[in-house]
Amino acid sequence: DAGVIQSPRHEVTEMGQEVTLRCKPISGHNSLFWYRQTMMRGLELLIYFNNNVPIDDSGMPEDRFSAKMPNASFSTLKIQPSEPRDSAVYFCASSQTRNQPQHFGDGTRLSIL
Amino acid sequence: DQQVKQNSPSLSVQEGRISILNCDYTNSMFDYFLWYKKYPAEGPTFLISISSIKDKNEDGRFTVFLNKSAKHLSLHIVPSQPGDSAVYFCAASVSNTGKLIFGQGTTLQVKP
Repeated sequence: DAGVIQSPRHEVTEMGQEVTLRCKPISGHNSLFWYRQTMMRGLELLIYFNNNVPIDDSGMPEDRFSAKMPNASFSTLKIQPSEPRDSAVYFCASSQTRNQPQHFGDGTRLSIL
Repeated sequence: DQQVKQNSPSLSVQEGRISILNCDYTNSMFDYFLWYKKYPAEGPTFLISISSIKDKNEDGRFTVFLNKSAKHLSLHIVPSQPGDSAVYFCAASVSNTGKLIFGQGTTLQVKP
């Protein structure tokens, strides 16, 4: 079975540019999560969806960040405009239900210059 | 305000010995706890979980212990193997919320 698939694996872009991160959850999983990992704050939840509906976006740092899940097999996390402090590793995870263990993708390493 | 804390940034053990990784939490509402393992350039991999109605859960070489009164959980790996060398994260949640709160991680090195 394919795991959670994230793209791109690496992204380097200049400050002010729009960045779009993509995620394909495991088939049949109803919950999808976006996390960010930094040295300072560790691994923190940004937003999660249940059955394609955003349930909790309290971790989204500011309005420059937005996430969508147009269908059960695809989600995006967008940063517009990007800033150097957004540099981090962004992980997507999915689970069968929100009470089941979450399975993580290998992340997108984002560098904003 | 860190609700989940792993106070040891690193741990080194000899192959074949026991590895004990510790985790403390502050939120008494947490009722579901998990351990993840992470290799460089990969995402965290789920290892084992425990709900608050239990005090122990075992899966092969991995055992998680939960002490609710002390708000403490630990992961025991017996015997430790060099392939266990990784960063280990504990995580906690209030069930039905879907929100996992992660500790900062402990880097385990198992020496051959």
